[in-house]
Amino acid sequence: EAQVTQNPRYLITVTGKKLTVTCSQNMNHEYMSWYRQDPGLGLRQIYYSMNVEVTDKGDVPEGYKVSRKEKRNFPLILESPSPNQTSLYFCASKHPDRRETQYFGPGTRLLVL
Amino acid sequence: SQQGEEDPQALSIQEGENATMNCSYKTSINNLQWYRQNSGRGLVHLILIRSNEREKHSGRLRVTLDTSKKSSSLLITASRAADTASYFCATDAGQGAQKLVFGQGTRLTINP
Repeated sequence: EAQVTQNPRYLITVTGKKLTVTCSQNMNHEYMSWYRQDPGLGLRQIYYSMNVEVTDKGDVPEGYKVSRKEKRNFPLILESPSPNQTSLYFCASKHPDRRETQYFGPGTRLLVL
Repeated sequence: SQQGEEDPQALSIQEGENATMNCSYKTSINNLQWYRQNSGRGLVHLILIRSNEREKHSGRLRVTLDTSKKSSSLLITASRAADTASYFCATDAGQGAQKLVFGQGTRLTINP
């Protein structure tokens, strides 16, 4: 089954404690992206990657890092989480053809105390 | 920056009625997409309409695109309780890197 998986699905942590949210897709997609969703703000792009070793900032990259060492994986790293990073995070992937749509993961709900 | 703006923010109708949601955007686009999100879950793609298309159908869904007005509408006919969800439009505005810009969504409630 074609899918995007994220782990963990739920996470409660404390300010400053480094964490990583993993994202993996099995569709051989070149393009992957991370979004955060906050009430009243819709989805905002954090980082995206056009292919292995190619990453770029989205609209709200501050406080986040990503890496793309393998095509299937695109982890999101919070080196020093802060309460304003409490949010619902989604990973997505797609074929680079513009006519193709994005496939979203199930989401990771993060609470930073 | 947010490009798509949905209207209304919330919509409540009776089962069997039609639901119409609108989306406006600011810059020229390659395509516009509609997604559905059930509460707290991932987004599911519904339909994509390209900038050179004016109307598209998929089952009970009908999407229109007016590039001169920079607006799109999503019509769900014969609504069902299972259609209760949030609906987002997203624009692919190009400019080199592929990037979807999402609106804030319309919360649709179908009352039995």
